Amino acid sequence: QLQLQESGPGLVKPSETLSLTCTVSGGSISSSSYYWGWIRQPPGKGLEWIGSIYYSGSTYYNPSLKSRVTISVDTSKNQFSLKLSSVTAADTAVYYCASMVGGPTRYWGQGTLVTVSS
Amino acid sequence: QLVLTQSPSASASLGASVKLTCTLSSGHSSYAIAWHQQQPEKGPRYLMKLNSDGSHSKGDGIPDRFSGSSSGAERYLTISSLQSEDEADYYCQTWGPPLVFGGGTKLTVL
Repeated sequence: QLQLQESGPGLVKPSETLSLTCTVSGGSISSSSYYWGWIRQPPGKGLEWIGSIYYSGSTYYNPSLKSRVTISVDTSKNQFSLKLSSVTAADTAVYYCASMVGGPTRYWGQGTLVTVSS
Repeated sequence: QLVLTQSPSASASLGASVKLTCTLSSGHSSYAIAWHQQQPEKGPRYLMKLNSDGSHSKGDGIPDRFSGSSSGAERYLTISSLQSEDEADYYCQTWGPPLVFGGGTKLTVL
């Protein structure tokens, strides 16, 4: 069974870049069976899709975040990463990495809280 | 633009059944969705993929008490024999991309 684990700083200063990594186990990140994504949840609010990356390397981003987001894959480490630039307090959220199988988000990481504050 | 609409809250008694609704926006009534459960202070858990014809495939270990059905642009999640641990937020989702989530329904078990 696929397992995902987020890692990265829990505190980021305003205007800086948020960087998170998701380590995948139980399956290959290069497999065409999956695609990968990031989803966030501000405190007390609902789920917001950030972006996704396919095994082909194609990326799709939420239009509202597109100018600030980069998602990439490191096949040698079986990891994928998120970079979100120019963060503000509005980017404070629990960030989840996830795997989509045949469409829906089937596997979720446990989530990591990132706080944007000076 | 695809929008998923959910009622903000629902409640039902312990041992009873409840039916949660996710409504697809106009022009998208043929879309499949997924249901996810998020218990308090936990991450989301995939429950099932639900097709427009009502067929569904559940995630690993999801009890038989959880089932899905469809009618037109409505997608339903029915939970029977409600237990206390079913008290949670329930989200519907489509994928394209873009991935789109409904606003979630907070289920209270009385």
